[in-house]
Amino acid sequence: DGGITQSPKYLFRKEGQNVTLSCEQNLNHDAMYWYRQDPGQGLRLIYYSQIVNDFQKGDIAEGYSVSREKKESFPLTVTSAQKNPTAFYLCASSTGDQPQHFGDGTRLSIL
Amino acid sequence: EDKVVQSPLSLVVHEGDTVTLNCSYEVTNFRSLLWYKQEKKAPTFLFMLTSSGIEKKSGRLSSILDKKELFSILNITATQTGDSAVYLCAVPNAGGTSYGKLTFGQGTILTVHP
Repeated sequence: DGGITQSPKYLFRKEGQNVTLSCEQNLNHDAMYWYRQDPGQGLRLIYYSQIVNDFQKGDIAEGYSVSREKKESFPLTVTSAQKNPTAFYLCASSTGDQPQHFGDGTRLSIL
Repeated sequence: EDKVVQSPLSLVVHEGDTVTLNCSYEVTNFRSLLWYKQEKKAPTFLFMLTSSGIEKKSGRLSSILDKKELFSILNITATQTGDSAVYLCAVPNAGGTSYGKLTFGQGTILTVHP
C-alpha cells in the first residue's frame, strides 16, 4: 500500500548527540514536510521541500537540518543545538492540489 | 504573520451529544481551510473548504466556512467514543501552493464518554 513511513517510532537522545529521523514515501509526491507537535501548540513547520535537492526553512528551523537527495526520502536531523528537542515529529507529503498526507510520527525524548 | 486560533482547546461530552468546534484565521491571500482528525498518530484529512456558505458533509461530520467573518466550524452530531481525537484546523501560508506550507491551530481535544 502507498503511504508515508516514519522511523523509529520512539527515539532517545543523549546530551550533545545528533539524531536522525527517517521519513520515506512511496506516493510519488513532490513535496515533503517536517512538523513538530508539542502539547497545546498544534503543529509547527520545521522544514519543507518542494523538489529534490531543494528545501526551505519553516517557522522553527533552528537546531534542525534536512536533506532531499531522493524524491522518496526526507530525513530530519535534530542537532545538539536544539536545546528542547522533546516532542512528537510528523512528516507529511503532498502533490499538486492534494491535501498533505501524514506519517505516524516519531516521539523523541531526552535521556 | 498568518494565524489560526481554535476553540475550545478541550471538550468533554457524552455519547449522543452534538459538538461544534471553531476555527478563526488571519491569513494573507486566503486559498482554503483544512480540517484534520488526529487519533494519537497521523492526522487524517477530513475536509477542505474554499467557498463561503457551502457545507461539506461526511456522515455525522459537517463543516462550513465564513470568509467574511474569517472562521470555520466543524460539527459532529450523535457523537461516539470513536470521535475522541484532536481536531486540527490549518490554512496554507501566503506564497505557498494551494496545499503547501500550512499554519495549524492549537487543536481541540475532544473526549467522548460512553
